[in-house]
Amino acid sequence: RKEVEQDPGPFNVPEGATVAFNCTYSNSASQSFFWYRQDCRKEPKLLMSVYSSGNEDGRFTAQLNRASQYISLLIRDSKLSDSATYLCVCRTSGGYQKVTFGIGTKLQVIP
Amino acid sequence: NAGVTQTPKFQVLKTGQSMTLQCAQDMNHNSMYWYRQDPGMGLRLIYYSASEGTTDKGEVPNGYNVSRLNKREFSLRLESAAPSQTSVYFCASSESWTAQLEAFFGQGTRLTVV
Repeated sequence: RKEVEQDPGPFNVPEGATVAFNCTYSNSASQSFFWYRQDCRKEPKLLMSVYSSGNEDGRFTAQLNRASQYISLLIRDSKLSDSATYLCVCRTSGGYQKVTFGIGTKLQVIP
Repeated sequence: NAGVTQTPKFQVLKTGQSMTLQCAQDMNHNSMYWYRQDPGMGLRLIYYSASEGTTDKGEVPNGYNVSRLNKREFSLRLESAAPSQTSVYFCASSESWTAQLEAFFGQGTRLTVV
């Protein structure tokens, strides 16, 4: 079983829709969580960190559920420019901080 | 603003050939990283340099070597390329090792080994 699991998609949604992705992690030592965005054939870029209490950045909301070991990303009012692959990333705490990237969920926003 | 610059962007190698991937950052970052990205797998850390003068193995170091030439530059060398090393390679840099996930990435090198 992969340490970080994501549905690869693609999720095809119309413009203006709300879409949510989940990501599950299996390493209970994971303490920090992030969402990255990667455009087709481009480099990954940090989208947002995920805080325990949940956090929002404009149309994007990230949530963490430690009990069930998953994080989520909600995108409201989807734009064409949101089309990308969204990578879930987990990091353990401690002396060596192991970082694990998910394979990503592909989102295609359709006009 | 250059950020993180990788060269080359594309490369085709024959099995057994060697090559060096170059990476330079102009953000005065202390830490630098090399990742590979393969279909169906997440980004995996090959090697990292937490600070100038140090390098350490990541998750998948076999078949690679690195050199932190100075604070700006971090190169990745394939001594004897194998088809299993066909991948997209990303260099990244961050202010510190603890800020690894606030790193800036280069545009990637698409390497094919035939």
